[in-house]
Amino acid sequence: GENVEQHPSTLSVQEGDSAVIKCTYSDSASNYFPWYKQELGKRPQLIIDIRSNVGEKKDQRIAVTLNKTAKHFSLHITETQPEDSAVYFCAAAPGGFKTIFGAGTRLFVKA
Amino acid sequence: DGGITQSPKYLFRKEGQNVTLSCEQNLNHDAMYWYRQDPGQGLRLIYYSQIVNDFQKGDIAEGYSVSREKKESFPLTVTSAQKNPTAFYLCASRDQGYGYTFGSGTRLTVV
Repeated sequence: GENVEQHPSTLSVQEGDSAVIKCTYSDSASNYFPWYKQELGKRPQLIIDIRSNVGEKKDQRIAVTLNKTAKHFSLHITETQPEDSAVYFCAAAPGGFKTIFGAGTRLFVKA
Repeated sequence: DGGITQSPKYLFRKEGQNVTLSCEQNLNHDAMYWYRQDPGQGLRLIYYSQIVNDFQKGDIAEGYSVSREKKESFPLTVTSAQKNPTAFYLCASRDQGYGYTFGSGTRLTVV
Protein backbone atom coordinates (compact mmCIF):
# COMPACT_ATOMS: atom_id res chain seq x y z
CA GLY A 1 0.00 0.00 0.00
CA GLU A 2 0.94 3.66 0.11
CA ASN A 3 3.85 4.27 2.43
CA VAL A 4 6.47 6.91 3.30
CA GLU A 5 9.63 5.76 5.05
CA GLN A 6 11.69 8.35 6.91
CA HIS A 7 15.27 8.05 8.19
CA PRO A 8 16.87 8.47 10.61
CA SER A 9 14.39 8.37 13.48
CA THR A 10 16.79 10.36 15.65
CA LEU A 11 19.58 12.71 14.58
CA SER A 12 22.02 14.57 16.79
CA VAL A 13 24.33 17.24 15.36
CA GLN A 14 26.64 19.90 16.68
CA GLU A 15 25.54 23.50 16.31
CA GLY A 16 26.74 24.84 12.97
CA ASP A 17 26.83 21.44 11.29
CA SER A 18 24.41 20.30 8.59
CA ALA A 19 21.52 17.88 9.06
CA VAL A 20 19.97 15.67 6.40
CA ILE A 21 16.71 13.75 6.69
CA LYS A 22 15.70 11.31 3.96
CA CYS A 23 12.32 9.96 2.86
CA THR A 24 11.20 7.36 0.37
CA TYR A 25 7.67 7.10 -0.99
CA SER A 26 5.90 4.23 -2.70
CA ASP A 27 3.05 5.83 -4.69
CA SER A 28 4.42 7.00 -8.03
CA ALA A 29 1.37 9.27 -8.40
CA SER A 30 2.66 11.48 -5.57
CA ASN A 31 3.24 15.00 -6.84
CA TYR A 32 3.50 17.18 -3.74
CA PHE A 33 6.01 16.75 -0.90
CA PRO A 34 5.68 18.98 2.19
CA TRP A 35 7.90 19.03 5.28
CA TYR A 36 6.62 19.91 8.75
CA LYS A 37 8.44 20.95 11.92
CA GLN A 38 6.90 20.17 15.29
CA GLU A 39 8.38 21.66 18.43
CA LEU A 40 7.69 19.99 21.75
CA GLY A 41 4.02 20.27 22.71
CA LYS A 42 3.21 22.39 19.67
CA ARG A 43 1.40 21.84 16.40
CA PRO A 44 3.28 20.81 13.23
CA GLN A 45 4.04 23.72 10.91
CA LEU A 46 4.81 23.62 7.22
CA ILE A 47 8.41 24.74 6.65
CA ILE A 48 9.02 23.94 3.00
CA ASP A 49 7.46 21.96 0.18
CA ILE A 50 8.35 20.79 -3.32
CA ARG A 51 6.32 19.69 -6.31
CA SER A 52 7.12 16.88 -8.69
CA ASN A 53 8.11 19.17 -11.54
CA VAL A 54 10.98 20.65 -9.49
CA GLY A 55 14.20 18.93 -8.42
CA GLU A 56 15.32 21.28 -5.68
CA LYS A 57 14.00 24.17 -3.63
CA LYS A 58 15.77 26.35 -1.11
CA ASP A 59 14.62 28.77 1.56
CA GLN A 60 17.45 30.36 3.54
CA ARG A 61 19.08 27.56 5.58
CA ILE A 62 16.71 24.80 4.52
CA ALA A 63 16.49 23.03 1.19
CA VAL A 64 14.60 20.07 -0.18
CA THR A 65 15.63 17.80 -3.05
CA LEU A 66 13.48 15.37 -5.00
CA ASN A 67 14.51 12.39 -7.11
CA LYS A 68 11.34 11.16 -8.79
CA THR A 69 13.02 8.24 -10.49
CA ALA A 70 14.24 6.83 -7.20
CA LYS A 71 11.17 8.09 -5.27
CA HIS A 72 13.44 9.83 -2.77
CA PHE A 73 13.23 13.27 -1.26
CA SER A 74 15.40 14.86 1.40
CA LEU A 75 15.49 17.83 3.76
CA HIS A 76 18.79 19.64 4.26
CA ILE A 77 19.37 22.08 7.09
CA THR A 78 22.64 24.00 7.02
CA GLU A 79 24.34 25.93 9.83
CA THR A 80 22.06 24.31 12.40
CA GLN A 81 21.04 26.25 15.49
CA PRO A 82 19.59 25.07 18.81
CA GLU A 83 16.16 26.37 17.77
CA ASP A 84 16.19 23.85 14.91
CA SER A 85 15.74 21.12 17.53
CA ALA A 86 12.32 19.57 16.87
CA VAL A 87 10.60 16.64 15.21
CA TYR A 88 10.48 16.83 11.43
CA PHE A 89 7.88 15.00 9.35
CA CYS A 90 8.03 14.41 5.63
CA ALA A 91 4.90 13.69 3.63
CA ALA A 92 3.81 12.70 0.14
CA ALA A 93 0.52 13.62 -1.50
CA PRO A 94 -0.61 11.54 -4.47
CA GLY A 95 -3.19 14.03 -5.57
CA GLY A 96 -6.65 14.73 -4.30
CA PHE A 97 -6.88 15.41 -0.59
CA LYS A 98 -4.83 12.50 0.70
CA THR A 99 -1.41 12.83 2.38
CA ILE A 100 0.88 10.10 3.68
CA PHE A 101 3.21 11.08 6.54
CA GLY A 102 6.55 9.65 7.48
CA ALA A 103 7.10 8.54 11.09
CA GLY A 104 9.18 11.60 11.98
CA THR A 105 12.82 12.44 12.79
CA ARG A 106 13.77 13.86 16.15
CA LEU A 107 16.59 16.37 15.59
CA PHE A 108 18.82 17.47 18.46
CA VAL A 109 21.19 20.38 17.89
CA LYS A 110 23.86 20.53 20.59
CA ALA A 111 25.19 23.95 21.49
CA ASP B 1 -3.97 29.86 15.44
CA GLY B 2 -3.38 30.79 11.82
CA GLY B 3 -7.06 30.52 10.89
CA ILE B 4 -7.85 27.18 12.51
CA THR B 5 -9.01 27.01 16.11
CA GLN B 6 -9.25 23.99 18.34
CA SER B 7 -10.93 23.90 21.72
CA PRO B 8 -10.52 23.08 24.46
CA LYS B 9 -6.75 22.99 24.84
CA TYR B 10 -6.98 20.43 27.65
CA LEU B 11 -9.82 17.97 28.21
CA PHE B 12 -10.39 15.33 30.85
CA ARG B 13 -12.68 12.40 30.24
CA LYS B 14 -14.15 10.02 32.76
CA GLU B 15 -14.59 6.36 32.01
CA GLY B 16 -17.68 5.71 29.88
CA GLN B 17 -18.10 9.34 28.89
CA ASN B 18 -18.34 10.79 25.40
CA VAL B 19 -16.48 14.03 24.75
CA THR B 20 -16.46 16.36 21.76
CA LEU B 21 -13.45 18.27 20.46
CA SER B 22 -14.13 21.42 18.49
CA CYS B 23 -12.36 22.49 15.29
CA GLU B 24 -13.21 25.67 13.36
CA GLN B 25 -11.42 27.19 10.36
CA ASN B 26 -11.86 30.48 8.52
CA LEU B 27 -9.47 29.67 5.68
CA ASN B 28 -12.23 28.61 3.29
CA HIS B 29 -10.53 25.22 2.91
CA ASP B 30 -12.63 22.38 1.55
CA ALA B 31 -10.84 19.55 3.32
CA MET B 32 -10.52 19.01 7.06
CA TYR B 33 -8.78 16.27 9.02
CA TRP B 34 -8.39 14.82 12.48
CA TYR B 35 -5.12 13.23 13.59
CA ARG B 36 -4.13 11.50 16.78
CA GLN B 37 -0.59 11.75 18.14
CA ASP B 38 0.68 9.62 21.01
CA PRO B 39 3.81 10.67 22.95
CA GLY B 40 6.90 10.42 20.80
CA GLN B 41 4.92 9.07 17.88
CA GLY B 42 3.84 10.20 14.45
CA LEU B 43 0.47 11.32 13.12
CA ARG B 44 -2.33 8.82 12.67
CA LEU B 45 -5.40 9.76 10.63
CA ILE B 46 -8.76 9.35 12.37
CA TYR B 47 -11.26 10.91 9.93
CA TYR B 48 -11.22 13.35 7.06
CA SER B 49 -13.78 15.32 5.10
CA GLN B 50 -13.40 16.72 1.62
CA ILE B 51 -16.75 18.44 1.45
CA VAL B 52 -19.72 19.39 3.60
CA ASN B 53 -21.93 16.46 4.66
CA ASP B 54 -19.32 13.92 3.60
CA PHE B 55 -16.47 12.29 5.51
CA GLN B 56 -14.31 9.17 5.35
CA LYS B 57 -12.68 6.93 7.92
CA GLY B 58 -8.94 7.11 8.33
CA ASP B 59 -6.62 4.47 9.72
CA ILE B 60 -7.89 4.49 13.33
CA ALA B 61 -11.58 5.52 13.16
CA GLU B 62 -12.90 2.98 15.68
CA GLY B 63 -14.29 4.67 18.78
CA TYR B 64 -14.54 8.08 17.11
CA SER B 65 -17.26 9.94 15.19
CA VAL B 66 -17.38 13.19 13.24
CA SER B 67 -19.81 15.48 11.47
CA ARG B 68 -19.40 18.13 8.78
CA GLU B 69 -22.54 20.21 8.71
CA LYS B 70 -20.71 23.42 7.86
CA LYS B 71 -17.60 24.05 5.79
CA GLU B 72 -15.97 25.84 8.71
CA SER B 73 -16.56 23.19 11.36
CA PHE B 74 -15.44 19.58 11.84
CA PRO B 75 -16.04 18.39 15.43
CA LEU B 76 -14.67 15.07 16.68
CA THR B 77 -16.48 12.98 19.29
CA VAL B 78 -14.45 10.50 21.29
CA THR B 79 -16.92 7.85 22.36
CA SER B 80 -16.82 5.43 25.27
CA ALA B 81 -15.95 2.74 22.74
CA GLN B 82 -12.47 4.25 22.42
CA LYS B 83 -10.69 2.38 25.20
CA ASN B 84 -7.41 4.29 25.16
CA PRO B 85 -8.23 7.88 24.22
CA THR B 86 -5.42 9.64 26.08
CA ALA B 87 -3.50 11.47 23.33
CA PHE B 88 -2.85 14.77 21.58
CA TYR B 89 -5.51 15.47 18.94
CA LEU B 90 -4.73 17.68 15.98
CA CYS B 91 -7.22 19.14 13.54
CA ALA B 92 -6.03 20.36 10.15
CA SER B 93 -7.36 21.84 6.96
CA ARG B 94 -5.96 22.29 3.48
CA ASP B 95 -6.72 23.10 -0.11
CA GLN B 96 -6.01 20.40 -2.67
CA GLY B 97 -2.39 20.46 -3.71
CA TYR B 98 -1.17 22.45 -0.73
CA GLY B 99 0.11 21.73 2.76
CA TYR B 100 -1.83 21.43 5.96
CA THR B 101 -2.63 24.18 8.40
CA PHE B 102 -2.86 22.59 11.83
CA GLY B 103 -4.74 23.77 14.87
CA SER B 104 -2.93 24.09 18.19
CA GLY B 105 -4.26 20.74 19.40
CA THR B 106 -6.34 19.31 22.24
CA ARG B 107 -4.67 17.21 24.90
CA LEU B 108 -7.18 14.60 26.11
CA THR B 109 -6.63 12.67 29.32
CA VAL B 110 -8.72 9.91 30.85
CA VAL B 111 -9.23 10.33 34.60
